[in-house]
Amino acid sequence: KAGVTQTPRYLIKTRGQQVTLSCSPISGHRSVSWYQQTPGQGLQFLFEYFSETQRNKGNFPGRFSGRQFSNSRSEMNVSTLELGDSALYLCASSLGGGGQHVPHTDTQYFGPGTRLTVL
Amino acid sequence: GQNIDQPTEMTATEGAIVQINCTYQTSGFNGLFWYQQHAGEAPTFLSYNVLDGLEEKGRFSSFLSRSKGYSYLLLKELQMKDSASYLCATTDSWGKLQFGAGTQVVVTP
Repeated sequence: KAGVTQTPRYLIKTRGQQVTLSCSPISGHRSVSWYQQTPGQGLQFLFEYFSETQRNKGNFPGRFSGRQFSNSRSEMNVSTLELGDSALYLCASSLGGGGQHVPHTDTQYFGPGTRLTVL
Repeated sequence: GQNIDQPTEMTATEGAIVQINCTYQTSGFNGLFWYQQHAGEAPTFLSYNVLDGLEEKGRFSSFLSRSKGYSYLLLKELQMKDSASYLCATTDSWGKLQFGAGTQVVVTP
């Protein structure tokens, strides 16, 4: 099975611009979660999508948004970029239960990440 | 509140054993994961514990005590390729992962 893929792998933007990142989950996985990783803050949860619905949300401003398509592929968008948005953005996919989480089947598998640099 | 603590860095020699401790205070706890992350790469899944006790997987073992809010990852017969960051993460009933800051393990010859 192919793993989680993310595009692009590297991106350079300037302040005020917006960016869209893409994530294709492992085939059959219906849940996609997004994380931001920085040296200072570590890995922080952005949001999770399941069956095209946002199911969980972290503590990030509204400039960070996402969506999921019927084929489970997901995109995240960051508008009005700030210098502090420079980070590695990781997505992770899992089978995703419809209700109570069953961890053994809901292990999250990460993609290689998109390295975003904001100048 | 949510709080996950693990040491920042540990150094050990090749062939030795290292134990990485993780303490947590998280609401809705439903399990604990350990991930390995090499520099510049994505985290990869190592182990999962939901019940108290030890889970063994080859050279890696993970332990959980829910009553103490404590877990550890044990790396045996260390190899140079084990030099990486090890991330402790708790999960809630909806599968939302909360990560610790990670422990950088340095393996020396």
